[in-house]
Amino acid sequence: EPEVTQTPSHQVTQMGQEVILRCVPISNHLYFYWYRQILGQKVEFLVSFYNNEISEKSEIFDDQFSVERPDGSNFTLKIRSTKLEDSAMYFCASKQLAGGPGEQYFGPGTRLTVT
Amino acid sequence: AQSVTQPDIHITVSEGASLELRCNYSYGATPYLFWYVQSPGQGLQLLLKYFSGDTLVQGIKGFEAEFKRSQSSFNLRKPSVHWSDAAEYFCAVVPSGGSYIPTFGRGTSLIVHP
Repeated sequence: EPEVTQTPSHQVTQMGQEVILRCVPISNHLYFYWYRQILGQKVEFLVSFYNNEISEKSEIFDDQFSVERPDGSNFTLKIRSTKLEDSAMYFCASKQLAGGPGEQYFGPGTRLTVT
Repeated sequence: AQSVTQPDIHITVSEGASLELRCNYSYGATPYLFWYVQSPGQGLQLLLKYFSGDTLVQGIKGFEAEFKRSQSSFNLRKPSVHWSDAAEYFCAVVPSGGSYIPTFGRGTSLIVHP
């Protein structure tokens, strides 16, 4: 069964450093998402991406964040200058259809630790 | 804005016992409703969803959920829990119009005792 994959599973970085989290969505999916979950808190929406551009973003997704689909398979989340409060689990998800509330398929997550 | 409440942070049950995980939402119209499960080291997996129609929906792994409009609830149930059901369970609400971006509850951690 096709699945969303994410690398790395755990990333440790120092405050102020740039990190890139990588995701490979399911191949025939059209809509891509990033979420984060701070330890003990809710899963929060960051950004959605469709047709090579950001479709929606939350208040969390400020200028420090960017997303890219550099090729036909990868979908990346970049944090330019990490802060301690960026420590969280980051989930990538993809959805087959562009419209409607269809099922999102989630990756296993990348745990980001900022020291 | 919509909100989702999962009032139980942890629930402990014995293997073979029945289970009910609560989810309440606040939203002006009937939203789309989902339950996800997250096992350790895994991503969120969809258990079941409600869009419309029959208010009792069946999902994978023997789970079911019932939508009750009058109570704004979408509780997850399983008649007999297995040790492998130990995981984190998330209820999510998607508005019925617009962006279809889900709002998640904070999750309920299920502990299963042998």
